Amino acid sequence: EAGVTQFPSHSVIEKGQTVTLRCDPISGHDNLYWYRRVMGKEIKFLLHFVKESKQDESGMPNNRFLAERTGGTYSTLKVQPAELEDSGVYFCASSPSRGLTGELFFGEGSRLTVL
Amino acid sequence: GEDVEQSLFLSVREGDSSVINCTYTDSSSTYLYWYKQEPGAGLQLLTYIFSNMDMKQDQRLTVLLNKKDKHLSLRIADTQTGDSAIYFCAETISGGYNKLIFGAGTRLAVHP
Repeated sequence: EAGVTQFPSHSVIEKGQTVTLRCDPISGHDNLYWYRRVMGKEIKFLLHFVKESKQDESGMPNNRFLAERTGGTYSTLKVQPAELEDSGVYFCASSPSRGLTGELFFGEGSRLTVL
Repeated sequence: GEDVEQSLFLSVREGDSSVINCTYTDSSSTYLYWYKQEPGAGLQLLTYIFSNMDMKQDQRLTVLLNKKDKHLSLRIADTQTGDSAIYFCAETISGGYNKLIFGAGTRLAVHP
């Protein structure tokens, strides 16, 4: 069974440009999460989808960030325009709707570097 | 507020025990987790403990939970070089779904 896959693994862009990160969750997982780790600090929650609906987007930093999950399958996270402080590793995770232990299954992350 | 605190770095000799500590804030957390991140890889669930338990043992891993002090620890017995990684403590928060709050991670370095 394929795990959570993220693309690209690393993106280097200039301040002001746009970047779109993609996440393909484990097939059948209704829950999809985006997290971010900046400069070796804690991994911070960004938002949570249940199927195609945003359940909680309280962690989204500002309106330069837009997440979508059309059709309840893969998700994209767009940053437009990117700022220096957006640099970090963006993790996607998924989980089934009736998981017993609350385990999240993580992708390897997309490292974003804004110059 | 929600906050999970961990020490950032731990160095141990191969064969010794490692103890990684964590404090959390949400007393209503249902589960507490330890995730492991090896270099170049994503986070993988290492172990978890249900909030009504004090201890959980799984082979070389022992998790201790002190709910009164909101303190969680992970002990790795007979630490090996393959255990070198970043270990993240995480708690669930109340809300009816699996929103996890993570610490900053403890980097474990194992030397001969």
